[in-house]
Amino acid sequence: GIQVEQSPPDLILQEGANSTLRCNFSDSVNNLQWFHQNPWGQLINLFYIPSGTKQNGRLSATTVATERYSLLYISSSQTTDSGVYFCAVDDYKLSFGAGTTVTVRA
Amino acid sequence: NAGVTQTPKFRILKIGQSMTLQCTQDMNHNYMYWYRQDPGMGLKLIYYSVGAGITDKGEVPNGYNVSRSTTEDFPLRLELAAPSQTSVYFCASSWPGNQPQHFGDGTRLSIL
Repeated sequence: GIQVEQSPPDLILQEGANSTLRCNFSDSVNNLQWFHQNPWGQLINLFYIPSGTKQNGRLSATTVATERYSLLYISSSQTTDSGVYFCAVDDYKLSFGAGTTVTVRA
Repeated sequence: NAGVTQTPKFRILKIGQSMTLQCTQDMNHNYMYWYRQDPGMGLKLIYYSVGAGITDKGEVPNGYNVSRSTTEDFPLRLELAAPSQTSVYFCASSWPGNQPQHFGDGTRLSIL
């Protein structure tokens, strides 16, 4: 199956800082989603982005399918951004990366 | 709009017991999925269904069974609980094809 690697594994930010999370995948994909798992364990859809760029408030994502990577940008981070960010790829049978744990300190 | 609803939220089982994790969705999605998430890891696909009466194995199906008698419901059955099945279980649903998946809040299962 497709291999998904996320980096960095952990990220500590001061409130207000910007950051970039990366997702590399080993083969071409028809589906790529970014999720945020909050401290209560809930999985929240952030982006469905098999290619191109999307923005939603302080978050944006870019997928370069031909080069097999996706980036998630967090701008002006807030403590509520803390949690684990997952990238998941493939067709309808999603393969998840191990996640990036983000801690935003006040 | 409830979305994807999972019950129970928490459960403790003894080794060898059986139980059914319930999942229902009200979005009329054809596709439904069961994932498990072990501590510090991403999710792994257990089973999925592309419509009522159709189910197929995912990456880690051993020890589980599923059924899909209606569009709305996709229960996951553990027949002989083992400590290795201690995990958080997520149900998800989506439209056919490469569409965003919507997740329930999870069931935290401990087997002692």
